[in-house]
Amino acid sequence: SYVLTQPPSVSVAPGQTARITCGGDNIGSRSVHWYQLRPGQAPVLVVYDDADRPSGIPERFSGSNSGNTATLTISRVEAGDEADYYCQVWGTGSGHYVFGTGTKVTVL
Amino acid sequence: EVQLVQSGAEVKKPGESLKISCKVSGYSFTSYWIGWVRQVPGKGLEWMGIIYPGDSDTKYNPSFQGQVTFSADKSINTAYLQWSSLKASDTAIYYCARHKQVTEPIDYWGQGTLVTVSS
Repeated sequence: SYVLTQPPSVSVAPGQTARITCGGDNIGSRSVHWYQLRPGQAPVLVVYDDADRPSGIPERFSGSNSGNTATLTISRVEAGDEADYYCQVWGTGSGHYVFGTGTKVTVL
Repeated sequence: EVQLVQSGAEVKKPGESLKISCKVSGYSFTSYWIGWVRQVPGKGLEWMGIIYPGDSDTKYNPSFQGQVTFSADKSINTAYLQWSSLKASDTAIYYCARHKQVTEPIDYWGQGTLVTVSS
């Protein structure tokens, strides 16, 4: 089955930029979605189709996807961005969605 | 306002059956897919599968096929996830989530239901 690998953790100071990678075989040929999970809250879609933002998501959240790596970038990080982030793709051959391993973003 | 409101936490014993619910509002229940996502404590997300309430078409992640059953009641805008015989390994948070199409991302999530299976 298709495997998506993310770094377990990323630490960033407020105001700096956090980059979260999602590695998968030729992931650049697939559409990647990103979700934010804060403890005790419903998950939130922050980027879809590689680089599009849903209504209400700040422009500080952006995405890119090429080759074997997709990246979620959070610019001007704020304390409220501290959360777990998951990438997701449709596993074409498997016929179901696959989530990445998840990355915990810590704001120092 | 789109809302997916899930039933409350459950504590069950191994071998027992369980049905948890996801009641939606703010949109046409029969026009969107409802997916289910599992999160084992301390672990990542797993997509279990999806149901189209309009005609109850279902698609299961092979890892969950035969282990759970999805259903939907159009008369009360509610989707269900059920087990006939729980195992300790079913202990997790279960989220329902809305997809516009099967291969489109989740745009709204429920708040999650914690299921604890312990003897």
